[in-house]
Amino acid sequence: EAGVTQFPSHSVIEKGQTVTLRCDPISGHDNLYWYRRVMGKEIKFLLHFVKESKQDESGMPNNRFLAERTGGTYSTLKVQPAELEDSGVYFCASSWGPRGEQFFGPGTRLTVL
Amino acid sequence: AQSVTQPDIHITVSEGASLELRCNYSYGATPYLFWYVQSPGQGLQLLLKYFSGDTLVQGIKGFEAEFKRSQSSFNLRKPSVHWSDAAEYFCAVGADSGGSYIPTFGRGTSLIVHP
Repeated sequence: EAGVTQFPSHSVIEKGQTVTLRCDPISGHDNLYWYRRVMGKEIKFLLHFVKESKQDESGMPNNRFLAERTGGTYSTLKVQPAELEDSGVYFCASSWGPRGEQFFGPGTRLTVL
Repeated sequence: AQSVTQPDIHITVSEGASLELRCNYSYGATPYLFWYVQSPGQGLQLLLKYFSGDTLVQGIKGFEAEFKRSQSSFNLRKPSVHWSDAAEYFCAVGADSGGSYIPTFGRGTSLIVHP
């Protein structure tokens, strides 16, 4: 069974540009989570989808970040316009139920220059 | 709000030696506690979790952790480290958020294993 996949694995962009990160959860997992780790700091929760609905988006840093999960399958996280402080590793995770084990993808490393 | 402290940024051990990674948490209610491991190029993998019951929890890959409420700690241990255990380890405390356990992570501890 395929695990959680994320694309791209690395992205280098300039300040002010737009970047879209994609996450494909494990098939059948209704719950999808986004996290971010800024270098040297903790992994922080961004938001939680149940199917296509946002269950909890309390961790989204500001309105430059837009997450979508159309059709309740894969999810995208768009950063527009990107700022230097957005650099970090963005992780996606999925779980079968809301209290089930979260399976993490390998992350997307975003560098904003 | 909950928080997690992992006081050791890096730990170096020799292969075959025992290991203990420290974790202290702050949470007002009964905590849900986790340890994750991230190997290079991989996602985080759940090693073990504590929700209730026996305070000594067994996990995968020969790891165990002990919940000590009086010390607000959840230290991870392994009696004999293998070179493949070199990775980054994250302790987390879970808060119940709308029926889901959203983990709050520590900063991580990088484990280096010498042959």
